[in-house]
Amino acid sequence: LAKTTQPISMDSYEGQEVNITCSHNNIATNDYITWYQQFPSQGPRFIIQGYKTKVTNEVASLFIPADRKSSTLSLPRVSLSDTAVYYCLVGRDNYGQNFVFGPGTRLSVLP
Amino acid sequence: DADVTQTPRNRITKTGKRIMLECSQTKGHDRMYWYRQDPGLGLRLIYYSFDVKDINKGEISDGYSVSRQAQAKFSLSLESAIPNQTALYFCATSDSLTEKLFFGSGTQLSVL
Repeated sequence: LAKTTQPISMDSYEGQEVNITCSHNNIATNDYITWYQQFPSQGPRFIIQGYKTKVTNEVASLFIPADRKSSTLSLPRVSLSDTAVYYCLVGRDNYGQNFVFGPGTRLSVLP
Repeated sequence: DADVTQTPRNRITKTGKRIMLECSQTKGHDRMYWYRQDPGLGLRLIYYSFDVKDINKGEISDGYSVSRQAQAKFSLSLESAIPNQTALYFCATSDSLTEKLFFGSGTQLSVL
């Protein structure tokens, strides 16, 4: 399972765009990239998933370069309620592999 | 997510006691997982199951056991609870097609 590296913490202000980058140098050909959001004392919640190029939904965008060795989660115009921990997961849950969460990125949105 | 229900929400127990945490889901997913989270840290996988009668150890299975009684039910047991098992426990499910995880609300366990 590809190991991921993300910044431990980030600060932003309301209304700004936030970009969180995840490095995954050992990503395998079949691996997807998935991002989750976690609020205190709650379970993580799925945000977005992608394989290559760009994916956009109503919450965020995910940018994946051609070599797929990194990915960037983009949150447009953040609000205070976006303060949370964001996790990047890489891999497929097949053949005994499993989903491994790193420490994530703690995003603090300031007024 | 109301589709993944964990009981109890909170539990206080004493060292040496056997306790069970329950998880049930209405999403129809085959795959179920138990994670543990300590304050300020990420989630660590305890056990996972891809189907009924399929049980696999995760990265921190020592001191824990699980039972997959049905497709919709996956329980976690602490045979003899110890204080360092005090943590927030999450159950999750996923399907083989999208492999997106859906989490329950968690069980806060305190071992005194």
